[in-house]
Amino acid sequence: DVKVTQSSRYLVKRTGEKVFLECVQDMDHENMFWYRQDPGLGLRLIYFSYDVKMKEKGDIPEGYSVSREKKERFSLILESASTNQTSMYLCASSLTGGPGFFGPGTRLTVL
Amino acid sequence: DQQVKQNSPSLSVQEGRISILNCDYTNSMFDYFLWYKKYPAEGPTFLISISSIKDKNEDGRFTVFLNKSAKHLSLHIVPSQPGDSAVYFCAASAGTSGTYKYIFGTGTRLKVLA
Repeated sequence: DVKVTQSSRYLVKRTGEKVFLECVQDMDHENMFWYRQDPGLGLRLIYFSYDVKMKEKGDIPEGYSVSREKKERFSLILESASTNQTSMYLCASSLTGGPGFFGPGTRLTVL
Repeated sequence: DQQVKQNSPSLSVQEGRISILNCDYTNSMFDYFLWYKKYPAEGPTFLISISSIKDKNEDGRFTVFLNKSAKHLSLHIVPSQPGDSAVYFCAASAGTSGTYKYIFGTGTRLKVLA
């Protein structure tokens, strides 16, 4: 059974903290994605990675960075969390093209 | 500017009837369209897709229709079942299925009443 897992389902952080969101896929997929989902805005792409150590900015990369040291793992980093980064974060993977399989999401609250 | 729009935030349908979910887009370069379904506390799952060379694609109870001249696509679910209750997102991309960048709509919450 194919799987994309995210390290936390719920996370509460303080403004200014450094936050790491981890994502692991077990399908040997080349492509991995980070999206955020907000009411009235749908899913918006933050970053995309098409290979180890390779990344491309999505539509809303400001305030975020990513790391992909191993093929199966893609991390999203909030260098200094702010309240406007309170959101649902979704990781996804695919062999080619856009997101095929999503993780369950991490609901991040920044106080 | 929202390039992919789902103007109905919610829809209620009786079990057994047809559900029609609509999606409009503005970018004429889009040539590949998808629908995803999302249950609460789960990530979206891919449902069905259509390329712009077709105007209809069917998979079991799910059919997607594409009207390129109107820049409109719709998802038909027949017959609707309570398990279909979920949020449905449409998405579009330019460059057939090989491109990674999908633009998502805001979602429509479908409720199928037993």
